[in-house]
Amino acid sequence: NAGVTQTPKFRILKIGQSMTLQCTQDMNHNYMYWYRQDPGMGLKLIYYSVGAGITDKGEVPNGYNVSRSTTEDFPLRLELAAPSQTSVYFCASTATGFNYGYTFGSGTRLTVV
Amino acid sequence: DAKTTQPTSMDCAEGRAANLPCNHSTISGNEYVYWYRQIHSQGPQYIIHGLKNNETNEMASLIITEDRKSSTLILPHATLRDTAVYYCIVVDNDMRFGAGTRLTVKP
Repeated sequence: NAGVTQTPKFRILKIGQSMTLQCTQDMNHNYMYWYRQDPGMGLKLIYYSVGAGITDKGEVPNGYNVSRSTTEDFPLRLELAAPSQTSVYFCASTATGFNYGYTFGSGTRLTVV
Repeated sequence: DAKTTQPTSMDCAEGRAANLPCNHSTISGNEYVYWYRQIHSQGPQYIIHGLKNNETNEMASLIITEDRKSSTLILPHATLRDTAVYYCIVVDNDMRFGAGTRLTVKP
């Protein structure tokens, strides 16, 4: 099992550019999540999904979009990158229900200049 | 907002038990308490979770008070590799992280 895989690991974007952060898991987990972590801070939930075709907003969804066409993949889209989106982005997944711990990816470090 | 309160930082001597407290006075009856840790800038790592009873696994023990308003994560024999930020989370519909406790294990 690869677990949760995030790509790319690092990326530098210019203001106004767009990009997609990829997240895939091979554990057949229904629940998937995107978090961002600013320096010295805890994680903030951006979006989450409870299954293919179902997504919902978290604490800080503005400036982001997601889709969930398959169980395995949960990409995060930034349409017009802003310096405020400079952060480390983590994807996580878990099996149905909350009796299981989340499995996190290794993160994508994004810098917007 | 996170539903938990944790100390900002703690120190522990290597080989000693590390006891990390967490207050969650507004916890509801069906909400679980989860603990994660984050080493450097890695993704958070699941440690343990519980509802009412105390729990133990190969990593740690979780002690939950009878009124469920607080809990303590115990690392029985802390090592230098246990230096990390530890997050206590009360799970409602999803998992919201607070600032956590920065544990430093010292030689």
